[in-house]
Formats: sequence, C-alpha cells, structure tokens
Amino acid sequence: SQQGEEDPQALSIQEGENATMNCSYKTSINNLQWYRQNSGRGLVHLILIRSNEREKHSGRLRVTLDTSKKSSSLLITASRAADTASYFCATGPSTGSSARQLTFGSGTQLTVLP
Amino acid sequence: NAGVTQTPKFQVLKTGQSMTLQCAQDMNHEYMSWYRQDPGMGLRLIHYSVGAGITDQGEVPNGYNVSRSTTEDFPLRLLSAAPSQTSVYFCASSYSNRGPSNYGYTFGSGTRLTVV
Repeated sequence: SQQGEEDPQALSIQEGENATMNCSYKTSINNLQWYRQNSGRGLVHLILIRSNEREKHSGRLRVTLDTSKKSSSLLITASRAADTASYFCATGPSTGSSARQLTFGSGTQLTVLP
Repeated sequence: NAGVTQTPKFQVLKTGQSMTLQCAQDMNHEYMSWYRQDPGMGLRLIHYSVGAGITDQGEVPNGYNVSRSTTEDFPLRLLSAAPSQTSVYFCASSYSNRGPSNYGYTFGSGTRLTVV
C-alpha cells in the first residue's frame, strides 16, 4: 500500500511561475523525502526533511512538513522548462517491521510551458 | 563515479522465460533495493538487502528472487516471466543498512521489461 499520496496528479504552469505540490501520508515518520524523475530516467533525490523540522530550503526548492496533518508540500519557485518532470514524495514509518523501507507516492507530473 | 548501473536497459521476454536484471553500485552502499514502476501505481518495493548475504521481501515479491553475494551487486531474477511483470524496474542503493530513510536513495536508470 502507498504511504504517500501526491496532489495534484498533474500540474501545468508557465515558465517563471511557482509550482506547489502536496503529499499526504498515513503513519508516523522519521523523515520525508522528495524526488524528481525526468521522462525515461531514474529518480533523483532532491531534499530530505526530518520529522522535527517544519521547513527546509534548497536553491529554488522549499519543503514544508506538518506532522500533525501528516502532510508536506514542495514549492518550486521561478519555474523553468527544465523543471518539467514527475515529483514523488517518499516516506518510511518510524517504527515497525517496515522501518527500513521507503514507500513512494504515485507522483505529480509537472509541465512547465516556455 | 558510475553510481548505480543497471543492465540491460530494455528487454523483451516471452511468457515463461527467465532472466536476470543486473544491478551494481560502486559507492560501498550497504542497502540495495529493487522497485517496479507501473503507470498510476508509483514505485513498489520488490526486494531489498541490508548487506551482503541478507535479503528481505518488499511489497510485491512474488515471481522474483534476489541474492546479495557481494556489497556491490544485487541481481533480480524473474523465475517464469508473466505479462503482469511488464514494467520498468529500478535498482536503488543507500548508504546505511538501516535503510534509505535517513540518507535517501541513489537510483539506477532503469530496465524497461516487456513480457509478451
């Protein structure tokens, strides 16, 4: 079963606009991660936010985490055509037999129009 | 630095055939895993390993075998291919044997498998 679910499934914006993607998850987590996947390629790790952090920045990326709502958001500012990709959140439960596993959502397909 | 290398990149099998998908990493990572990616399903964990000689099942292990004889290699074997195994397969590795939760994954570029 999928731990994380992204919303929306697809997002289309103009170059220069900001893109926001959301992720909801079900169980207590240690960390939450975001990955990018360009068409036909493997996933690339973007950013990790720990359960005791509320916000984290990396370049044009801003990630927030609300553990009370079991949700996270990924904001890409000043988007570029090269940001066109699928974005996935990934979580692992903090306890239990699955603590060594990372579960991915089904992703948000972002299209940035030039 | 090659990272995670998967071979082959593409493969077509007939139903009932067997094959091995190769995965090798050169980062001395303890943890390795196999995922399959299907449209609308995200990535689902097949098998994973926390070190040489240690493997365990993930969410969808049926029809697949793995072994980990060295730190570097983690092959995935399809025992008797079925059309339901048509998918894109990704190998991923992580630094710690405690799993990718703290350090994230490095992914290979994938193997696109079609079973006819």
